[in-house]
Amino acid sequence: AQKVTQAQTEISVVEKEDVTLDCVYETRDTTYYLFWYKQPPSGELVFLIRRNSFDEQNEISGRYSWNFQKSTSSFNFTITASQVVDSAVYFCALGATGANNLFFGTGTRLTVIP
Amino acid sequence: DTEVTQTPKHLVMGMTNKKSLKCEQHMGHRAMYWYKQKAKKPPELMFVYSYEKLSINESVPSRFSPECPNSSLLNLHLHALQPEDSALYLCASSQEPLSAPSYEQYFGPGTRLTVT
Repeated sequence: AQKVTQAQTEISVVEKEDVTLDCVYETRDTTYYLFWYKQPPSGELVFLIRRNSFDEQNEISGRYSWNFQKSTSSFNFTITASQVVDSAVYFCALGATGANNLFFGTGTRLTVIP
Repeated sequence: DTEVTQTPKHLVMGMTNKKSLKCEQHMGHRAMYWYKQKAKKPPELMFVYSYEKLSINESVPSRFSPECPNSSLLNLHLHALQPEDSALYLCASSQEPLSAPSYEQYFGPGTRLTVT
């Protein structure tokens, strides 16, 4: 069975603070893929990153960084020096080879207060 | 260009109306998807088209009828909807179908549907 858990329903931070969004996944597949999407109030889901299960290297893209740890089945997302434009709902998702679906977590609503 | 476009942006329809949602992508993607998203919930997969053929129907009621006229276009025909069908309808595309889930999906801005 595939499952994604985002335990943080809502987070509020003050602008310029760092914030980490947690994602824990469950799968029996040895090959799988993890994704993060951002959904601003406008509604469109914006693709942020894909990570393959065989590549545990962490990634940094500007103010965004991702920490993938297979040992704890986690794929956490950190925003450094948050900005008001980062306010959105963030979804973590899991895809497995041969699966018919992307499994989304329930999302974390991030509010950055100016 | 990673753009998926959807029209209309907003739609209000009565339960006896027939309407259509449209989605278009010009990225050469061979898989296209319809999702339904209720407020404060993640997207739920409805249909998948792979190489212009319907490959997945997630037990969606027949009042929703998808159509893929060509590799760039995806329609969702709506008829006799219920108020509980009010939601954000998202279209997405990916280079290859979900059977190769390494490919990320690109989403459109969605159509916010209200059924009265």
